Amino acid sequence: DVKVTQSSRYLVKRTGEKVFLECVQDMDHENMFWYRQDPGLGLRLIYFSYDVKMKEKGDIPEGYSVSREKKERFSLILESASTNQTSMYLCASKAHPQGMNSPLHFGNGTRLTVT
Amino acid sequence: SQQGEEDPQALSIQEGENATMNCSYKTSINNLQWYRQNSGRGLVHLILIRSNEREKHSGRLRVTLDTSKKSSSLLITASRAADTASYFCATAMYTGANSKLTFGKGITLSVRP
Repeated sequence: DVKVTQSSRYLVKRTGEKVFLECVQDMDHENMFWYRQDPGLGLRLIYFSYDVKMKEKGDIPEGYSVSREKKERFSLILESASTNQTSMYLCASKAHPQGMNSPLHFGNGTRLTVT
Repeated sequence: SQQGEEDPQALSIQEGENATMNCSYKTSINNLQWYRQNSGRGLVHLILIRSNEREKHSGRLRVTLDTSKKSSSLLITASRAADTASYFCATAMYTGANSKLTFGKGITLSVRP
């Protein structure tokens, strides 16, 4: 079974802090994704990566950056956290960039609160 | 922009009844997927239906896809209290060399014991 592990389940940070959310997958998947989930808005794609050191913006990249130095690890960075970034953050991975018909495997999420 | 829109937003049924959830979308897709999310957890993939398929089954799940109407339905038969969760449809489209999966806002299903 694929395992996607997010380093923290709950995180509380102050406005202006630099925040790192870490995600590791153990199945050698090429594609990795970061979503945020908010009530009434569903899941929105922040960034994704289809290979090491490669990244592409999703629908809401503003205020975020990402890092993919190793294939198994995909980090989401909030350069200067703001209260409107309080949310549930979900990491996911997928088997093959060309594999349209393969599902996403999600981690359990990190609930971030910015005060 | 949201591609998939689920309907209804919330559904409450008695254990043993069937639950039907619908999803509509706006543009052409390569496949449509359904996911479940238990409270406070990540999403779990349930079933994927390709654009050239019309119906698919997996255990108590039945998914249909009507590309002419741009809609899909998820049927859970003989529901159980453990089926209580949020359900999301997601549409997959090619974007150049990669695929993009866009999620709807979800349906909250409550199954009363």
